[in-house]
Amino acid sequence: NAGVMQNPRHLVRRRGQEARLRCSPMKGHSHVYWYRQLPEEGLKFMVYLQKENIIDESGMPKERFSAEFPKEGPSILRIQQVVRGDSAAYFCASSSGTGVNTEAFFGQGTRLTVV
Amino acid sequence: QKEVEQNSGPLSVPEGAIASLNCTYSDRVSQSFFWYRQYSGKSPELIMSIYSNGDKEDGRFTAQLNKASQYVSLLIRDSQPSDSATYLCAVNEGYSSASKIIFGSGTRLSIRP
Repeated sequence: NAGVMQNPRHLVRRRGQEARLRCSPMKGHSHVYWYRQLPEEGLKFMVYLQKENIIDESGMPKERFSAEFPKEGPSILRIQQVVRGDSAAYFCASSSGTGVNTEAFFGQGTRLTVV
Repeated sequence: QKEVEQNSGPLSVPEGAIASLNCTYSDRVSQSFFWYRQYSGKSPELIMSIYSNGDKEDGRFTAQLNKASQYVSLLIRDSQPSDSATYLCAVNEGYSSASKIIFGSGTRLSIRP
């Protein structure tokens, strides 16, 4: 009974490269959240997706960042032309999304380091 | 801007005592409230959910909700060194499944032996 799976766990990219972060939700979950966490700081909401649909992307930077959750396969958070300020832990959480009282469960996170 | 506010701490509590963590939120329509625990370098772990005014107990943990005051708290009884972590308050800001969960910045709790 796998939980939320994120990969890779650690990702190193040079400035200007692309980073792709993957998230497979828990079985039975169709909603995915992405959050970013800088060292010693809280979780910052980025985007909330349902399969094939972006529900809320109000926390996503306007440029270089995109997210998708296709009908088949994991959710992908994509960061183009990475800069040092993108270095952070990126956490994915999933929920069943069947009502306002649904709980969200987190994956282990991807630690992105831009060098 | 809808917000969830927590005292960043650190909050230092002697082993065996009660740790009290507090959280306020700005959006009156918020319906669901969660407490997560995050150890250093790890991902957040859900420890309590509360949806109605009053208290909800689970083992050593008690969550308290007061919607009129827009206030939610977490009490940890008989604090143990393993409770030392950052505790994140989270709020589902709306009243539909399209509403997102937003987090406070967390309170660092340290249990001293």
